[in-house]
Amino acid sequence: AQSVTQLGSHVSVSEGALVLLRCNYSSSVPPYLFWYVQYPNQGLQLLLKYTSAATLVKGINGFEAEFKKSETSFHLTKPSAHMSDAAEYFCAVMGGGADGLTFGKGTHLIIQP
Amino acid sequence: EAGVAQSPRYKIIEKRQSVAFWCNPISGHATLYWYQQILGQGPKLLIQFQNNGVVDDSQLPKDRFSAERLKGVDSTLKIQPAKLEDSAVYLCASRLGANTGELFFGEGSRLTVL
Repeated sequence: AQSVTQLGSHVSVSEGALVLLRCNYSSSVPPYLFWYVQYPNQGLQLLLKYTSAATLVKGINGFEAEFKKSETSFHLTKPSAHMSDAAEYFCAVMGGGADGLTFGKGTHLIIQP
Repeated sequence: EAGVAQSPRYKIIEKRQSVAFWCNPISGHATLYWYQQILGQGPKLLIQFQNNGVVDDSQLPKDRFSAERLKGVDSTLKIQPAKLEDSAVYLCASRLGANTGELFFGEGSRLTVL
């Protein structure tokens, strides 16, 4: 079975500061990993995905994530936070024969002016 | 390209009533998913269709939830009778094929059960 753990249900950073959202996964097979963003009253939008190519993945809106197999992690980062980054972020895993996504509980990113 | 369409966006019902949600996936997408997102939690897969066949419904509470995709295009998710704990956002997503491409999500249908 696959699972995802997102550390920190709420993360607060100042505008212009580094954003770091943590995600650890559990999978019995090499996983596909995803980060999605959800703005209030909207659906989920794909930020980036890891599908066993380069371990450093660049996504939209300046976000990137690094796959570290030894740490079973896929943390999301952005060098400089913007007010528009305030949203809910979900890490998700796919693999092991099932092609539906298993999501973490989400991290609410708060940007302080 | 049109995205995944869902309706209604919001629904309020009393417990023991029934409700139905509709989803129209992106044109040509063979795989369709229904997810339940309870407030403060990540989305949970309820059911997955490949064309008009069910691939995975292991987490669908079949005593009260049902879903169909009769012609392999749009889909309906029904809850009857609804319970308080069914209050959630129901997200539909579609994908080109079983192992092809990313999932695209609709905006969701928010259900409140009183």
